[in-house]
Amino acid sequence: ILNVEQSPQSLHVQEGDSTNFTCSFPSSNFYALHWYRWETAKSPEALFVMTLNGDEKKKGRISATLNTKEGYSYLYIKGSQPEDSATYLCASLRTASKLTFGTGTRLQVTL
Amino acid sequence: NAGVTQTPKFRVLKTGQSMTLLCAQDMNHEYMYWYRQDPGMGLRLIHYSVGEGTTAKGEVPDGYNVSRLKKQNFLLGLESAAPSQTSVYFCASSYLGPGTQINTEAFFGQGTRLTVV
Repeated sequence: ILNVEQSPQSLHVQEGDSTNFTCSFPSSNFYALHWYRWETAKSPEALFVMTLNGDEKKKGRISATLNTKEGYSYLYIKGSQPEDSATYLCASLRTASKLTFGTGTRLQVTL
Repeated sequence: NAGVTQTPKFRVLKTGQSMTLLCAQDMNHEYMYWYRQDPGMGLRLIHYSVGEGTTAKGEVPDGYNVSRLKKQNFLLGLESAAPSQTSVYFCASSYLGPGTQINTEAFFGQGTRLTVV
């Protein structure tokens, strides 16, 4: 993998559903993997910065895992709520300072 | 604490005109970035800076120039605007985590919507 790729592109779930997204990134020269949440008409805000293989991070109902050897990270949302509706971006830090983003997964949670 | 501030928020340019977008951060961050966001393309890195007086090219640098004369400011210039530069531009900053020498999360400005007609 040469670029940062995210799947799916978009997702529509019902309130209370749990869901997960995938971020694939180049595993060579790995420094860190970032996850951001981007609400419409706002700026992206960081959720997690992950650096170690096997890392797991959690913030409320949202958690993430990291596999640096195979170059993927999963973001999980447990019990989705309408306020979780946003675009979720991941970004790969491969050389010091150069942060490259994927195209994002757009999540819509309906009642 | 203002964080990252972009000026202007909106601008319409005619093809061939020039302009400068200003990004200012008050967090004493070393690293600053300019991204453009286009539908279906995500955030693409235009240029970035690892410190005052230094700049580097990102993924899509053509048609843009940058300067970082002061640590808190990162300027993005369009010398001769083209319709293909119609986009939303985001500035971001970050710093090295203590003891890790790895960038922390990026803090973003509110974006500048630029239309070139």
